[in-house]
Amino acid sequence: AQTVTQSQPEMSVQEAETVTLSCTYDTSESNYYLFWYKQPPSRQMILVIRQEAYKQQNATENRFSVNFQKAAKSFSLKISDSQLGDTAMYFCALNTGANSKLTFGKGITLSVRP
Amino acid sequence: DTGVSQDPRHKITKRGQNVTFRCDPISEHNRLYWYRQTLGQGPEFLTYFQNEAQLEKSRLLSNRFSAERPKGSFSTLEIQRTEQGDSAMYLCASSTPGLAGGEETQYFGPGTRLLVL
Repeated sequence: AQTVTQSQPEMSVQEAETVTLSCTYDTSESNYYLFWYKQPPSRQMILVIRQEAYKQQNATENRFSVNFQKAAKSFSLKISDSQLGDTAMYFCALNTGANSKLTFGKGITLSVRP
Repeated sequence: DTGVSQDPRHKITKRGQNVTFRCDPISEHNRLYWYRQTLGQGPEFLTYFQNEAQLEKSRLLSNRFSAERPKGSFSTLEIQRTEQGDSAMYLCASSTPGLAGGEETQYFGPGTRLLVL
């Protein structure tokens, strides 16, 4: 079985600042995929960034980047130059390929202050 | 491409009633997933279809729950004899299979929020 843990329930950041959201996971599979999804208030969940476990290079998408530490089973999301529109719940998720189902963490509520 | 759509967006029902939700995936996606999200929690997997075949069901899916995808396009999720504990957001997602298992990106719909009184 796989698990995803997000231990920070809430975070707040000033607009234009940088924030890092933490995630740890556990799986016995050797190959898997990790995702960060964003769920804005009353809006649908969208993919922010994904990382393939066999790739050592950390994924980057514009202002979003990850710090993937495979040995530590850690997958944190860094948001640079935070914007008001980044206010949302952020979920870390794992897919090992078994049934292709996503296993999600509990999420973290990020508030960006003007 | 209008994305994944779900209907209704909100449903209020009385305990003991049956409810049915519909999900229309992105048209070229042959995989369809149902998840349940309760307040303050991440989504939990319920079931998954590839085309019309239901390939996996979570133990969360009690015998009061049934899902279908009759023609490999839209899907329905029915809950019979609803209980207050069924109150949650029901999310649908769709994808196309990647070259490697687990690779594909799942695209989510807006969800159906169910409240059982």
